[in-house]
Amino acid sequence: GQQLNQSPQSMFIQEGEDVSMNCTSSSIFNTWLWYKQDPGEGPVLLIALYKAGELTSNGRLTAQFGITRKDSFLNISASIPSDVGIYFCGGATNKLIFGTGTLLAVQP
Amino acid sequence: GAVVSQHPSRVICKSGTSVKIECRSLDFQATTMFWYRQFPKKSLMLMATSNEGSKATYEQGVEKDKFLINHASLTLSTLTVTSAHPEDSSFYICSAAGGWGTDTQYFGPGTRLTVL
Repeated sequence: GQQLNQSPQSMFIQEGEDVSMNCTSSSIFNTWLWYKQDPGEGPVLLIALYKAGELTSNGRLTAQFGITRKDSFLNISASIPSDVGIYFCGGATNKLIFGTGTLLAVQP
Repeated sequence: GAVVSQHPSRVICKSGTSVKIECRSLDFQATTMFWYRQFPKKSLMLMATSNEGSKATYEQGVEKDKFLINHASLTLSTLTVTSAHPEDSSFYICSAAGGWGTDTQYFGPGTRLTVL
């Protein structure tokens, strides 16, 4: 099945550092979504973006819908240990296509 | 709000048996529900999309006779894995989309299926 290109594949950082990850696609999407998944759990929605150029924040998380509608990024500021998990982007038109995921590890 | 439940959370069955997984939207009506499959350390792969009262739309490569989907109401969809085999062992996750911002999907906690 189709997947979006998500980078980096994994990140190992110190607590307090900022994190940035992004997704790119060859296709245009109407919506970009960012999810976090903990082991053995379903993805939890973090941020939803509905308009090209939109910049939205949710606490320490900020995400943007790229102007070309083919990309999106997620920033996490001042990371904490509970930020550990796998982050997935999702591009949606009539169905949701997931990115390949970014594994985030935060060392206290 | 936007809570989706799945039952069971994990199931172990013998090869050749059928297993039914339920997905429920608890606090909203889901016009569309989706079923995904996830292998270890991999992303979620869409299996099928179901709309209430109509036949599911399956993704390419997904056997509709093997993975039976029923979306009988606006709050319930079921996935039945028929004649399960060990290669069907996986993490199955459903999601639901309501009438508001239909592209925003809310996911269930997943069902771990192990076929012996």
